[in-house]
Amino acid sequence: DAEITQSPRHKITETGRQVTLACHQTWNHNNMFWYRQDLGHGLRLIHYSYGVQDTNKGEVSDGYSVSRSNTEDLPLTLESAASSQTSVYFCASSESGTGNEKLFFGSGTQLSVL
Amino acid sequence: RKEVEQDPGPFNVPEGATVAFNCTYSNSASQSFFWYRQDCRKEPKLLMSVYSSGNEDGRFTAQLNRASQYISLLIRDSKLSDSATYLCVVANSGYALNFGKGTSLLVTP
Repeated sequence: DAEITQSPRHKITETGRQVTLACHQTWNHNNMFWYRQDLGHGLRLIHYSYGVQDTNKGEVSDGYSVSRSNTEDLPLTLESAASSQTSVYFCASSESGTGNEKLFFGSGTQLSVL
Repeated sequence: RKEVEQDPGPFNVPEGATVAFNCTYSNSASQSFFWYRQDCRKEPKLLMSVYSSGNEDGRFTAQLNRASQYISLLIRDSKLSDSATYLCVVANSGYALNFGKGTSLLVTP
């Protein structure tokens, strides 16, 4: 069955370190997204991609970057981790179409920056 | 102002009750509307899309009022398994979705 997987599930790192969170989907979806979820804020969009070599900034993109070298993967990199980036990160994907596209989410990565 | 606003609750209701959640959105050009469900420490999952004419899926009914920029979700005959956080979701142009903070529902025996 097609799926979307995130790794690692949990990560503890120190401030200032570079961290990369992996997201891999086998749906062959063009659209991929990274969200973070924090108490009091809900889900906020970090970066997204509509296809290979396409990347776009979301609402809270500062301190994060993504790259899209193939359809299946959209890794999220924290250039220099900060305590404010402690959060749950969700990757998602959807098909391109005319609207009402369903988002498929990964199981999330709990990141703690100490 | 947040683009999608929801009452965070929590809503505590007994089994069998009917409960309604409301949501407002600020962008009049918004094009697509959804309700997602999220269980504790899990990923969000699509509950249902919301259409202008209103739509029903079993015990769940969704309504959209474009003039008032208002979306609702009605759950009839609540089950214990309905306990979750319900996220109101709006799409503008493109495919990125804007999520409300969610409304927490607890159904009690």
